[in-house]
Parts: sequence; C-alpha cells; structure tokens
Amino acid sequence: GAVVSQHPSRVICKSGTSVKIECRSLDFQATTMFWYRQFPKQSLMLMATSNEGSKATYEQGVEKDKFLINHASLTLSTLTVTSAHPEDSSFYICSAQIGGRETLGAFFGQGTRLTVV
Amino acid sequence: AQKVTQAQTEISVVEKEDVTLDCVYETRDTTYYLFWYKQPPSGELVFLIRRNSFDEQNEISGRYSWNFQKSTSSFNFTITASQVVDSAVYFCALSEPYMAGTASKLTFGTGTRLQVTL
Repeated sequence: GAVVSQHPSRVICKSGTSVKIECRSLDFQATTMFWYRQFPKQSLMLMATSNEGSKATYEQGVEKDKFLINHASLTLSTLTVTSAHPEDSSFYICSAQIGGRETLGAFFGQGTRLTVV
Repeated sequence: AQKVTQAQTEISVVEKEDVTLDCVYETRDTTYYLFWYKQPPSGELVFLIRRNSFDEQNEISGRYSWNFQKSTSSFNFTITASQVVDSAVYFCALSEPYMAGTASKLTFGTGTRLQVTL
C-alpha cells in the first residue's frame, strides 16, 4: 500500500481563494517532506523543504507568503496556496524522507492537480 | 550546482522494440544517488531505481536494465521488449549526498516521453 498519501488528488477553485493540500506519511515518521510543482509537460521543480517543527526552507523564486507550508507533526505536512490565481494551476507532489539512505527518494504522494478558474 | 540532462524529449517505438533512455548528470559531490522514475498519464511518480555513486554495477530487473558509467556521468535506462503499458514520461534524478538527519534534495531532468505503439 501507499506509504505517502496526498489529498486531494484534484481540486478546482476560484481565483482569489485558498487551497490546502495535505501530505501524510502512513505508519512512518517523516522528518522531512519536500514539495514539488510540475507544470504541464515539464519537470518537477522543488518548491520547498519542510522539517517537522520548524519553518520550511523555500527555493529561490518561490513566494513563501503565497505557498504556506506547515509541518506540524512527523506524519503530516500541508501546503496552502493562498489567494490562488490561474497561473498557480499546476500539479503539486509531495515526497517524504523516511528512514535512512535505503529509502531515499522512494516515497512520493499521488499528486494534486490544482486548477484555478 | 547539480544538473540532470535528458536530451531525448520524446521517443516513439513499436511494441517489442528495445529502447534506451539517456541521462547525463553534473555534480561536484563525490557521493550522490541517481534515480529513475516513471510517470504515467495519471500523474503519480513511480520509483524505479536508486543507485549509489559508489556502485557502478549494472542492474537488471525484469525487462528493465540500467547502465551507470561514472566516467561519462551517465545513467541510462533500457527497456527490453517494450510494451504499450510502458508508455509514460520517465524522469532521471540526482540527489545531494545523504547525511543522516539532513534533507537530501533531488534534482530532476526534464523527462523523456516514451510512446509505445502496437
């Protein structure tokens, strides 16, 4: 079964509203979660790295006030797209770093397709 | 800075043909990991393989095989006897060195779209 569960899988929202995406590690503690964004037919671009109990580290060019990341527990990280606009429409994927090197890069959520209308 | 290049944007083959997807990487790190992922139309990322930079042995898993050549900084992926279900976008990725207690970021290539037709 899935080790990382991402919800919702698909969401449509109106421009100006906020959307929250959840990423849960099931049965495992994820000290670190990564959030990626993927525009159509493009690669995955790392947006931010979140560590449990501390502020997220954002990649250059990613607006931290627009993409709020919370990692309140070892099993849950959330990404909130605030005041969403059509250009925020994208595929968002989370990834959990669980355990040691033997699981590095292995666990991704199912992704969330966000459409802002 | 790390960089991953997948020069093939799209490849189209007929079922049962063999196909090789190229991946070339750049890093200043002496230790790192390389990965391949499959992304079918549904979007989820399917983990295929992780390779340690110290391990240059080629690997075979069913119809899949990987050729790691550190001398040319390449990590190519071959699908033997391709099938329609292999149609997807394939990503190669490179990680920072792993250190316990720290986050290891991945850098992805731009992906290769593989179309397998009957």
